[in-house]
Amino acid sequence: AQSVSQHNHHVILSEAASLELGCNYSYGGTVNLFWYVQYPGQHLQLLLKYFSGDPLVKGIKGFEAEFIKSKFSFNLRKPSVQWSDTAEYFCAVSISGGYNKLIFGAGTRLAVHP
Amino acid sequence: GAVVSQHPSRVICKSGTSVKIECRSLDFQATTMFWYRQFPKQSLMLMATSNEGSKATYEQGVEKDKFLINHASLTLSTLTVTSAHPEDSSFYICSARDQRSPYNEQFFGPGTRLTVL
Repeated sequence: AQSVSQHNHHVILSEAASLELGCNYSYGGTVNLFWYVQYPGQHLQLLLKYFSGDPLVKGIKGFEAEFIKSKFSFNLRKPSVQWSDTAEYFCAVSISGGYNKLIFGAGTRLAVHP
Repeated sequence: GAVVSQHPSRVICKSGTSVKIECRSLDFQATTMFWYRQFPKQSLMLMATSNEGSKATYEQGVEKDKFLINHASLTLSTLTVTSAHPEDSSFYICSARDQRSPYNEQFFGPGTRLTVL
């Protein structure tokens, strides 16, 4: 069965530190990849997505992610985090095309200390 | 982006009762909505795909008679947890697909926390 794994369940950083959250998926075919963020008390929001083309995608708020097909990975990065980045981050995969039937990872809770 | 609401945001009920959760797309029409369930510290798991005017498509392992889904209009889908038991306690999240957006992006509601006593 298809699955998504996020390596870190809980990450604590100081402001200005660099961030990388790992995401790996298991599926051999074509996938669409997503990172969602959930700020405390708010809805899930789309950070960025990969459908095709340049494997390095840029999202909102300075986040980027790189799709490495050979490693089945889609890691999320940000060079310098801020306190306002404190949130839960979910990696998701769609194998049905577009935004259909998203399969989510377990999430990574990021805490950024001033 | 498009806005999706859920009602109620939190509900506590007794074992054996039924609970209805509403999911509304506020500023767009959604022929397709999705219902997810999230356990503490776990991922969102897709329960079913709700299609306006037709029967919902349930994921493997989800009891369709337990989790009744009705998508009677283009802006409203409801999930009814029938004869709820403590193991049904969870966070239920809906999303609605906006066909106006590229690739029919899904927009998520804020979730409903169900506690069954």
